[in-house]
Formats: sequence, C-alpha cells, structure tokens
Amino acid sequence: ETGVTQTPRHLVMGMTNKKSLKCEQHLGHNAMYWYKQSAKKPLELMFVYNFKEQTENNSVPSRFSPECPNSSHLFLHLHTLQPEDSALYLCASSQERWGRHEQYFGPGTRLTVT
Amino acid sequence: AQTVTQSQPEMSVQEAETVTLSCTYDTSESDYYLFWYKQPPSRQMILVIRQEAYKQQNATENRFSVNFQKAAKSFSLKISDSQLGDAAMYFCAYRSEGGVLVVSNFGNEKLTFGTGTRLTIIP
Repeated sequence: ETGVTQTPRHLVMGMTNKKSLKCEQHLGHNAMYWYKQSAKKPLELMFVYNFKEQTENNSVPSRFSPECPNSSHLFLHLHTLQPEDSALYLCASSQERWGRHEQYFGPGTRLTVT
Repeated sequence: AQTVTQSQPEMSVQEAETVTLSCTYDTSESDYYLFWYKQPPSRQMILVIRQEAYKQQNATENRFSVNFQKAAKSFSLKISDSQLGDAAMYFCAYRSEGGVLVVSNFGNEKLTFGTGTRLTIIP
C-alpha cells in the first residue's frame, strides 16, 4: 500500500449520470494529482492541486470537475461523460510539487461509461 | 515540451535472468529528474528508481539499476536476477527541476510518462 486510497475501485455509469471519485492520502503531502490512464496511451495529467489550490488544468473538458477541500482529500466530479472517457483514473500525491519528489499513486478507479 | 519514448511495448525474460528496458526522452533543459515506475497487474503504481540529471553516477536499488546517458538522452532500466514478482507494466517518467520562486510554471509540475513496457517473467 502506498498510503493513497481511492474509492470506488470500479464504476459503471451512463452518460447522463453524475458520480464522484474520491482520493485520500495519509502521507501529509501537499500536492495531489488526477491522471487518466487509457490503454496504449501515456498517462495523462488532468489536474494538479498544491495546498488545496488548483495549479493546473491540462485542457480537461468541463464534464470533469475537481475539488480539493483539504490537502488530504481530492475529488473528481463526473457528469454527462462520453464513452471515450472510460479509463483508469489514478490519484497521486507528493510531498511537494517540484522536481525530485516522487509521486505516490492510488490503486485507481476503473471507470466504464455506457 | 518534454517527451518520453518507450519503444518496447512488451518484453519477456526468463526467471533469474537479466533484462533491460529502454527509455529515451527529449528535453532542452539541463536540470531534471528521471523515474522508473512499476505498475503490477491490479496493483498500485510504485516508484522503482530515480535519477537526478546532475548526478553522473547511475542510480541503483538492489536488483534494479539504470544506465543514464545524458548526452544521448537515454535512461534504461536493468533488472537483474528477474523474479516472478517483477512482472508488471514499467513506465519511464521525466520531471523538470523546480524552485520556490516559480509559482505558476505548469511545466515544472508535470511528470511526463512514456507509454510503458509490459514485462513478463517466464518461470
């Protein structure tokens, strides 16, 4: 275990549904991240939060809405998704957002949009 | 923008043998960090090894070592005495150096990943 947990582990949702992914880290880290992992594609960074402030939105469609109420929790709110949004969504955290600090990853949420 | 290329989508190795996974990257920066991450099937991604670009000495972690060639922009991972537990997807990643004075340089926050190499261990 890396100290980063994600719920749910699996999620199937229709295109008209609204759901949320949750990430929690117990490491005292200051930075948290959302990634999208699709088959045969590089890991795609979606959002970065540092001290609860969003510092990067990597051109992510507005149907993905992140929320970071504190340094330990990160949410990804989903609504009116498309089938191509089906992927593994990974949360990560790091002590700081710079340089050498490694990222600790959660187990991911496997999302299927029908 | 930085790019990371892993040209081997799949590799296999006999148990107890040595295997090398290749990674090349492209950058115009002089200070950066390189990582190898491992993602076992249905398990969390974890850091295997890290290399600081300013260090000439190759990083080693037990059976894992890297061959870092800065001029060639190459960063390969060598796994010695392969074990069944080494079976996983391996991702090479690049990260820029950062500094506390840089408050909004998104490029420094990105950890750029390659597409991964699936390693199979043959018993």
